[in-house]
Amino acid sequence: NAGVTQTPKFQVLKTGQSMTLQCAQDMNHEYMSWYRQDPGMGLRLIHYSVGAGITDQGEVPNGYNVSRSTTEDFPLRLLSAAPSQTSVYFCASSLTGVGANVLTFGAGSRLTVL
Amino acid sequence: TQLLEQSPQFLSIQEGENLTVYCNSSSVFSSLQWYRQEPGEGPVLLVTVVTGGEVKKLKRLTFQFGDARKDSSLHITAAQPGDTGLYLCAGVKGKLIFGQGTELSVKP
Repeated sequence: NAGVTQTPKFQVLKTGQSMTLQCAQDMNHEYMSWYRQDPGMGLRLIHYSVGAGITDQGEVPNGYNVSRSTTEDFPLRLLSAAPSQTSVYFCASSLTGVGANVLTFGAGSRLTVL
Repeated sequence: TQLLEQSPQFLSIQEGENLTVYCNSSSVFSSLQWYRQEPGEGPVLLVTVVTGGEVKKLKRLTFQFGDARKDSSLHITAAQPGDTGLYLCAGVKGKLIFGQGTELSVKP
């Protein structure tokens, strides 16, 4: 099992460019989420999805879009990158949501916006 | 304002020492999780505590959930260099809310 796969692992963007961070899981998990990790801030929830076709906002959704057309994939789109979006991004999934279920994280995508 | 305050943020100790990491909040959580993260990797779940007052042990690691389910602690006995990493607590309150993390360095 691959678990949660994130691509790319590293990306450098210029301010104003757009891009998509890919996330795929092969565990048939219903719940998927995106976090960003910044020094001294822990992980902050950007968007999450409880199943295909359903998405919702987390703590810091501005500047990001998501969609969930399949159970396996949950891409995160940056519409117009800003230096404040320089961060490490983690995708995570679990069987049916947080709490009782183990949240499995990808290895992260490090994004630098110049 | 951080909903979950973790302390200390940095900890550098010698091999064999004991340490405690604290995770505090004014909010009640249905459960609390502890993760460990190594450089270049995602966090990995260590334990989930659910019941107020619950104590769980994982080899040299002891996790405690406060009676009121607002706080938790992680105690490591006789730390080893392999314990080095970022330790994160996360409270479940509908969503998973993370503390800032504690960077632990254990020197041989």
